[in-house]
Amino acid sequence: DAKTTQPPSMDCAEGRAANLPCNHSTISGNEYVYWYRQIHSQGPQYIIHGLKNNETNEMASLIITEDRKSSTLILPHATLRDTAVYYCIVWSDYKLSFGAGTTVTVRA
Amino acid sequence: DTEVTQTPKHLVMGMTNKKSLKCEQHMGHRAMYWYKQKAKKPPELMFVYSYEKLSINESVPSRFSPECPNSSLLNLHLHALQPEDSALYLCASSQEISVVTEAFFGQGTRLTVV
Repeated sequence: DAKTTQPPSMDCAEGRAANLPCNHSTISGNEYVYWYRQIHSQGPQYIIHGLKNNETNEMASLIITEDRKSSTLILPHATLRDTAVYYCIVWSDYKLSFGAGTTVTVRA
Repeated sequence: DTEVTQTPKHLVMGMTNKKSLKCEQHMGHRAMYWYKQKAKKPPELMFVYSYEKLSINESVPSRFSPECPNSSLLNLHLHALQPEDSALYLCASSQEISVVTEAFFGQGTRLTVV
C-alpha cells in the first residue's frame, strides 16, 4: 500500500485559505489520492479525489504535483466548522486505508 | 439519499454477550466496509464486501463475524469480546470496490465492552 505522510497538526485563521500538504512518494501510476475529514465523533466525510490533474469542487481544491509524489488540499475560506482531522489517502488494492491525518484547528 | 445508517448508536455489552451491529444503505452500492476506530487513532479497515461476498478480511479475530444478507445490509456479529475491543465501529459503502468513487460513512456505533 502506498503510504502517506502528513503534518500532525496545523492552525488556520478563520476566513483564510488552509493549505494541507501530503506526501505520497510511493504512489503508483493508477492510484488515486483521496481526502477525507472527520469532525469529532462523526463518521469520515469525503472531500475530494484526483489522479493527475488538479480538481476542484464546492468544498476544496486538490493540487497534485506533476510527479504525483505529493499533493495539497486547499480549503479556500476556512470556517470554524472546518476544524477536523484531515486524512490524505491513497486508494490501493480496493482499500481505503487511513493514515494518521492532520488535525486542523481553525481559530477565530 | 446519500446516507449510511448504523444502529445502534451506542452499545454496552459484557464479555460473554452476543450482539450485532447493523448498517444499511439505499444508494445501490455494491461495496460495503467495516472499520474500527480507537480513540485518537485513524479508522482501521476490518472487512470489505463486494456484491454480498466477503472480499477482504484484514486478519480480524473470529470474535468479529461479518454478514451481508443483501445488497443494502451489512451486519457485524460480536461474541466473546474483550474490553480492548471497545471502539467506534464505522460502516461505509461505495459504488463498487473496483470503481473509483467516494465512499460514504455512517456515524458509527460506539461500543463499550465491560
